[in-house]
Amino acid sequence: GENVEQHPSTLSVQEGDSAVIKCTYSDSASNYFPWYKQELGKGPQLIIDIRSNVGEKKDQRIAVTLNKTAKHFSLHITETQPEDSAVYFCAASRSPSYIPTFGRGTSLIVHP
Amino acid sequence: EAGVVQSPRYKIIEKKQPVAFWCNPISGHNTLYWYLQNLGQGPELLIRYENEEAVDDSQLPKDRFSAERLKGVDSTLKIQPAELGDSAVYLCASSSGQDEQYFGPGTRLTVT
Repeated sequence: GENVEQHPSTLSVQEGDSAVIKCTYSDSASNYFPWYKQELGKGPQLIIDIRSNVGEKKDQRIAVTLNKTAKHFSLHITETQPEDSAVYFCAASRSPSYIPTFGRGTSLIVHP
Repeated sequence: EAGVVQSPRYKIIEKKQPVAFWCNPISGHNTLYWYLQNLGQGPELLIRYENEEAVDDSQLPKDRFSAERLKGVDSTLKIQPAELGDSAVYLCASSSGQDEQYFGPGTRLTVT
């Protein structure tokens, strides 16, 4: 089955800095890579996703890159703000509605 | 439009007692998922429904867990009897066709 590794487990940055979270996956059949933000007491919320036919995708301050050959993908957040503080999960699956395998999460702390 | 609704939000029970969680998916979403999220980890699938049919329940501990989705809309997840190790957040998600999954806020279960 699929195995997703996520690093780092904790990331502390100053407001305005950039944050990068990296994930690797094992199943070459995976084609869909979503990123979720989970705030305390809430369920995961999809913030951006990328499919295997695209190498990079950007949405305002958030970008995701995918290297299918190396089986790794990354989340980049620029100009971080305190409200970006949350746990971020990467995931990999064969399609958006298929069962995703999640990473263990990264706790991002943005200090004002 | 309302998101995925779950109740209760919190539940504290003693071990060996039964407990039930309820989920109302987004209107029109035919696929419903139940996930288990342990502290510091990503969600893990327990069961997936396509309409009223359970199409993937291989990770559901069937000796104590059961689920149903009568009429293909609302769903209930039950544990009987609960064990200390069942303490976790139980997340419900739904999706439509090949679109992404939307998560509910979860039910935090504490077994004492």
